[in-house]
Amino acid sequence: AIRMTQSPSSFSASTGDRVTITCRASQGISSYLAWYQQKPGKAPKLLIYAASTLQSGVPSRFSGSGSGTDFTLTISCLQSEDFATYYCQQYYSYPPLTFGGGTKVEIK
Amino acid sequence: EVQLVESGGGLVQPGGSLRLSCAASGFTFSSYWMSWVRQAPGKGLEWVANIKQDGSEKYYVDSVKGRFTISRDNAKNSLYLQMNSLRAEDTAVYYCARGPAYCGGDCYYVYWGQGTLVTVSS
Repeated sequence: AIRMTQSPSSFSASTGDRVTITCRASQGISSYLAWYQQKPGKAPKLLIYAASTLQSGVPSRFSGSGSGTDFTLTISCLQSEDFATYYCQQYYSYPPLTFGGGTKVEIK
Repeated sequence: EVQLVESGGGLVQPGGSLRLSCAASGFTFSSYWMSWVRQAPGKGLEWVANIKQDGSEKYYVDSVKGRFTISRDNAKNSLYLQMNSLRAEDTAVYYCARGPAYCGGDCYYVYWGQGTLVTVSS
């Protein structure tokens, strides 16, 4: 199974900050990577697929980049509603589909 | 509007069984692969199983193989997960999920249900 490793696991940031979350795959996955946002008690919400394609309705302050094994999710100007946990997921090779362990973005 | 509504969760003893259901609406259910994804309390997301449109292909994560069975009833627009020989480590919120139109089994998820909690404890 392809292992997805996210870093950091959590961090604190302030509204207006530019934040970057990293996801690394244990082997190359081309651009078959998605990013999700999850708030407490809610289902995950798709933000980005194909590593850099913004899902319809997602604000443009979210962006994704990378290919192969290293990927990043960037929030250009953190808003209050962006404090949440973020997950990456590979869909290059399955079964199983695999997710990263998550990155929790907390208010500083 | 696409809607996925899970039901059937609850408290069950170790070794017991439970059947989860997911009622789908707002799209042509028979045209999509469907999946179950779970999340243990305070933990990350884990893909559990998925099933092809006609039920002819089913895939599982290793930890549930031989214990869980995914199925679907296209006439009832419903997805199921039969869970047998449940263990404490199966305790989680179970989500029903669907990908975009052109996806096969290897995909990301655009639509998610609200989840149903399964607690395995004596």
